[in-house]
Amino acid sequence: EPEVTQTPSHQVTQMGQEVILRCVPISNHLYFYWYRQILGQKVEFLVSFYNNEISEKSEIFDDQFSVERPDGSNFTLKIRSTKLEDSAMYFCASSDGRSGANVLTFGAGSRLTVL
Amino acid sequence: AQRVTQPEKLLSVFKGAPVELKCNYSYSGSPELFWYVQYSRQRLQLLLRHISRESIKGFTADLNKGETSFHLKKPFAQEEDSAMYYCALKTGGGNKLTFGTGTQLKVEL
Repeated sequence: EPEVTQTPSHQVTQMGQEVILRCVPISNHLYFYWYRQILGQKVEFLVSFYNNEISEKSEIFDDQFSVERPDGSNFTLKIRSTKLEDSAMYFCASSDGRSGANVLTFGAGSRLTVL
Repeated sequence: AQRVTQPEKLLSVFKGAPVELKCNYSYSGSPELFWYVQYSRQRLQLLLRHISRESIKGFTADLNKGETSFHLKKPFAQEEDSAMYYCALKTGGGNKLTFGTGTQLKVEL
């Protein structure tokens, strides 16, 4: 069964450093997403991406965050200058976007720890 | 604004007992609702969605627009059902899901 792959599984960084989290969505999917889950809290939407541009973003997704699809397979989330409160599990997801079947397939997550 | 409420953080039942995980939503339009499950050390995965009206692993969920609920039910809990369950709401034409805080189901022998 096709999977969404995320790397790294865990990253520890110092406050103020830039972090890039990588995702390889399912190959025939057209919509890509990032969600995050702070420890003990709910899964929160960050951003969705379609046709090489952001289609929707939450208020969490401020100027410190950016997403990119640099080639035909990778989908990255960059945090420019990490803060302590960015420590969370970041989930990538993708979907094929067919009408009535917008089922998201999630990756295993990347745990980010900001010290 | 849309919201999903899962009132129970933890639900503990005995094997063979019925299970009901509660989910209420707040949304003025026509919602699409999902249940996602996360087994220990595994990724979030879709369990079921209301538009397909299916039963997966013995679980069912009916959308009740009058009560704005989408409770997840199973008549006889199994040990392997122990997991974290998230109710999620997709709104309008957008692609984002709004998740509830999740309910940890623990099935005891």
